[in-house]
Amino acid sequence: DTAVSQTPKYLVTQMGNDKSIKCEQNLGHDTMYWYKQDSKKFLKIMFSYNNKELIINETVPNRFSPKSPDKAHLNLHINSLELGDSAVYFCASSQGLAGGEQYFGPGTRLTVT
Amino acid sequence: AQSVTQLGSHVSVSEGALVLLRCNYSSSVPPYLFWYVQYPNQGLQLLLKYTSAATLVKGINDFEAEFKKSETSFHLTKPSAHMSDAAEYFCAVTRAGNTPLVFGKGTRLSVIA
Repeated sequence: DTAVSQTPKYLVTQMGNDKSIKCEQNLGHDTMYWYKQDSKKFLKIMFSYNNKELIINETVPNRFSPKSPDKAHLNLHINSLELGDSAVYFCASSQGLAGGEQYFGPGTRLTVT
Repeated sequence: AQSVTQLGSHVSVSEGALVLLRCNYSSSVPPYLFWYVQYPNQGLQLLLKYTSAATLVKGINDFEAEFKKSETSFHLTKPSAHMSDAAEYFCAVTRAGNTPLVFGKGTRLSVIA
């Protein structure tokens, strides 16, 4: 059973397009996250939702819009894609906001050409 | 603000040798500390975590880490390296409350036969 799943695994698109990445967790957790991992493997939090409410919103361009239809899902929509958006995006979930173990999805490798 | 410094972006050890991956943290309040491992083209998996209980923490696959407040360190060790340990290792810090997980830049572990 997959705990945290993401679709698609790979996404290749052109500059200016709009794309979405979906994330689902079946762990019953109440908190979900989006992270960006750049080409140097550096991981940075983008957003965090707790019980469908936005809790953490780091300095991310407003072209990025997360949406949480329910506690088990956190999708990421990106408008007007730019070359610099190329990265691996990871979804994660945890029970509670801090101190709890975060479970990561397999990642979505986004390539913008 | 919290931060993590991982000394050495790349560590190479022989199979059967001791693994030591260094992590120093900065936090003005009691931290929660984590080590994650990332195998190629996969998401992150938790190895172990420190959340103010025992200072010597044992994790999966014979890894362990010791929290040393006086040295602000949380180094990861394993007595005997296996080929399957080759991966990227991330140290991360957070604290109680609505705070994100802050990752170090990662250390790539290579194991030589």
